[in-house]
Amino acid sequence: EVRLVESGGGLVQPGGSLRLSCAASGFTVSYNYMTWVRQAPGKGLEWVSLIYSGGGTYYADSVKGRFTISRHDSKNTVYLQMNSLTIEDTAVYYCARTMVGLDGMDVWGQGTTVTVSS
Amino acid sequence: SYELTQPLSVSLALGQTARITCGRRNIASKNVHWYQQKPGQAPVLVIYRDNNRPSGIPERFSGSNSGNTATLTISRAQAGDEADYYCQVWDSSTGVFGGGTKLTVL
Repeated sequence: EVRLVESGGGLVQPGGSLRLSCAASGFTVSYNYMTWVRQAPGKGLEWVSLIYSGGGTYYADSVKGRFTISRHDSKNTVYLQMNSLTIEDTAVYYCARTMVGLDGMDVWGQGTTVTVSS
Repeated sequence: SYELTQPLSVSLALGQTARITCGRRNIASKNVHWYQQKPGQAPVLVIYRDNNRPSGIPERFSGSNSGNTATLTISRAQAGDEADYYCQVWDSSTGVFGGGTKLTVL
C-alpha cells in the first residue's frame, strides 16, 4: 500500500524551529517528486516546497530562507526543517507525492499540526 | 505572482451538475489539477492534467481547460460530493493553488 505519514508537529514559540518528517511506504521517495503543502486554520491550501528526484529544491516566497526541504533516501523519508517560525506559519502541514512530470499530487499524508504561539 | 481565481461557493440540488471554475489569463497553457477536501481530511486528487481521472475517482468527475478558464464538472451530484475543491497548477517549479470553492449539495 502506498502511504505517507507525517510527524514532528507541535507547539513552538515565535522564532523557534521545528523539523517535520514524512515517512513513505509502498514507493521510493528518491524516484519521485515530493511536496509540502500547508493549510492555516479555516484557510485554503498553500504550496510550501518541492524536492525533485534529482535533488533540486524550490520554495514559496513566504518560507524562502527559513525552511529547508530534504530527504534521507535510506529511510525513505522527506523532511521540512522550519526555522524562525512566526505566527503566520501556524497550519496543518501535509506532504504529498507529486506525479513525475510535475503533474498532480496523487498521494497525501494525513497532516501534522504546527502551532506557533507564545 | 501567479494567482488562480475560484468562486467562493457553489450550491446545487441533488442530482444536478456542478461546474466549478478556475480562472487566470491563458490558463489553457498550463496543466490544471483538481483536489477535493472534506472537513478534517487530507485533499484527494480528483482530476490531473486538465481532464484525467486517477483510479478510483468516479466518471461523474470530469475537467476541461480552455482560454482563461479551467472547469471541474461533477455530474449527478451526490451528498457525498459536498466538499471544498481546489484547482492547482505548476508555474516554473512553484506550486499555485486557487482559493478553493465550497460545494454545497442541497
